Amino acid sequence: NAGVTQTPKFQVLKTGQSMTLQCAQDMNHEYMSWYRQDPGMGLRLIHYSVGAGITDQGEVPNGYNVSRSTTEDFPLRLLSAAPSQTSVYFCASSYSGQKNEKLFFGSGTQLSVL
Amino acid sequence: KNEVEQSPQNLTAQEGEFITINCSYSVGISALHWLQQHPGGGIVSLFMLSSGKKKHGRLIATINIQEKHSSLHITASHPRDSAVYICAVRPAAGNKLTFGGGTRVLVKP
Repeated sequence: NAGVTQTPKFQVLKTGQSMTLQCAQDMNHEYMSWYRQDPGMGLRLIHYSVGAGITDQGEVPNGYNVSRSTTEDFPLRLLSAAPSQTSVYFCASSYSGQKNEKLFFGSGTQLSVL
Repeated sequence: KNEVEQSPQNLTAQEGEFITINCSYSVGISALHWLQQHPGGGIVSLFMLSSGKKKHGRLIATINIQEKHSSLHITASHPRDSAVYICAVRPAAGNKLTFGGGTRVLVKP
């Protein structure tokens, strides 16, 4: 049972480049989400999904796209990277709609946009 | 104003001391999470609370739904407890978690 697998761990991009951060979970969780963590700020929700084929915007969605074609995978795409997207990104999953749920996080991706 | 406020922002303790971290929130919630993040590391879920109190080893988490307040206590603190502790709430309506800014704890030997 691998939990939440997030790749890559580190990435450096040039302004305007595109890339995809991968997130996969093997726990059959319905709810998956992407957060960014910036110094001095709490985790902020980028996008989330409550099941395959269903995604919605979070607090800071601009510049990011997501899709959820399977229950297991929830990739985050940066179409044209900007220095403001330099951050640490976390993917997380949990059961959806259940009161007694535990959160599972990936190990994080440190992204630098030059 | 953030919907979830944590205090203190930073805390330094001597090994063995009792530590308390506070979390206040402004909306009705269905669950509150306490998370731990070690320097350069990932985020680990410590507790999920919807009422009352939970204990795991030296960690105790309490929540007062009426007062919209939760506390995380660390008894007999140890240097390995040094980490950022994050409170997150799930509102009663909706799926989006809202996070506090975190409390950075340093336990000195």
